[in-house]
Amino acid sequence: DAGVIQSPRHEVTEMGQEVTLRCKPISGHNSLFWYRQTMMRGLELLIYFNNNVPIDDSGMPEDRFSAKMPNASFSTLKIQPSEPRDSAVYFCASSWTSGDNEQFFGPGTRLTVL
Amino acid sequence: AQSVTQPDIHITVSEGASLELRCNYSYGATPYLFWYVQSPGQGLQLLLKYFSGDTLVQGIKGFEAEFKRSQSSFNLRKPSVHWSDAAEYFCAVGPGGYNKLIFGAGTRLAVHP
Repeated sequence: DAGVIQSPRHEVTEMGQEVTLRCKPISGHNSLFWYRQTMMRGLELLIYFNNNVPIDDSGMPEDRFSAKMPNASFSTLKIQPSEPRDSAVYFCASSWTSGDNEQFFGPGTRLTVL
Repeated sequence: AQSVTQPDIHITVSEGASLELRCNYSYGATPYLFWYVQSPGQGLQLLLKYFSGDTLVQGIKGFEAEFKRSQSSFNLRKPSVHWSDAAEYFCAVGPGGYNKLIFGAGTRLAVHP
């Protein structure tokens, strides 16, 4: 099993640019979670999906952030326009709701907005 | 409300010393409890989990944790710390709907040689 795959691993962009982060969950998992991690705020849950449907996006910080899950094997998190305060590590995690509730995390995308 | 408290933000121990990281939770039902570890520059990796049964659970890398319902605690222990254990440790409680977990703020462990 390849685990949760995230791309890119590192992204450096300039303020105002659009950023798209990608996630491929573990095959067979039906819940997907997007987190953001910063030194100041720690690990924050941004949004999560079940069976490709967004369940709770209350953690999304602003309208500049959006997430989609067009199918069971792919999700995106988009920031448009990006700002320096969006600099963080973004993690994707997946889980199987009929399993034991464990979330499997990807390696993260380190985003730097200049 | 569901919550997880990790009282210690930073802990420093000497290599070979014992370790205990504290975790307290607030949860309305029987909780599922997890400890994750995050090495520098890495994602979170599951160390161990508790659902039911024996309240002392064994995990990877020589870690164990004990569930104490009366104290609402799930402390992580290791008898002898190795330098490679330096990392950040997160306690989490669930399940929320769709396997949502509530994470603590994390404890950063430093290991002195």
